[in-house]
Amino acid sequence: RKEVEQDPGPFNVPEGATVAFNCTYSNSASQSFFWYRQDCRKEPKLLMSVYSSGNEDGRFTAQLNRASQYISLLIRDSKLSDSATYLCVVPTSGTYKYIFGTGTRLKVLA
Amino acid sequence: EPEVTQTPSHQVTQMGQEVILRCVPISNHLYFYWYRQILGQKVEFLVSFYNNEISEKSEIFDDQFSVERPDGSNFTLKIRSTKLEDSAMYFCASSVETGNEQYFGPGTRLTVT
Repeated sequence: RKEVEQDPGPFNVPEGATVAFNCTYSNSASQSFFWYRQDCRKEPKLLMSVYSSGNEDGRFTAQLNRASQYISLLIRDSKLSDSATYLCVVPTSGTYKYIFGTGTRLKVLA
Repeated sequence: EPEVTQTPSHQVTQMGQEVILRCVPISNHLYFYWYRQILGQKVEFLVSFYNNEISEKSEIFDDQFSVERPDGSNFTLKIRSTKLEDSAMYFCASSVETGNEQYFGPGTRLTVT
């Protein structure tokens, strides 16, 4: 199993739709998880942190399922401006290394 | 809002030349990182740095690479003898603690010709 795995997409959704992405991780000892947003040729920008079961911020909800070793990101009421690549990032427990998934590309269509 | 800064934004160099990429992490952060992203590929961890020494490095971070914190604010990545395959976007990041949120600089696009 890859350390951090994401469906690359693209996910093409209409404006206003709800979309969800999953990310699986292999290290069961990992304690923290992050979703970043990356626009084309730009730096990753922190979207959400997940330290326990989940987190919600406006239209965005992240959930953690430790038993199945995955985290999810739900985006409600998609906007055109949500079009980007969403990166799942997992720090490796006991190390100073953060592992990035390949990213899931989202296109919100008018 | 504090942010990570990087210079230059774009560096073009010839194969075999040395380059130094510069970063200024967020001032109260203690952990610093360099990442690489080849066009169209995933973000790859290169190295982490804490307390003036390398705390972790990846297989990519070979003897051609080095990092330094020459003063209280700058954090640099040196590539001694660049290769064509070093062409990529290089991102610097910093965090308060390891395992916590990382904040990224805008990146340096390195083009090796």
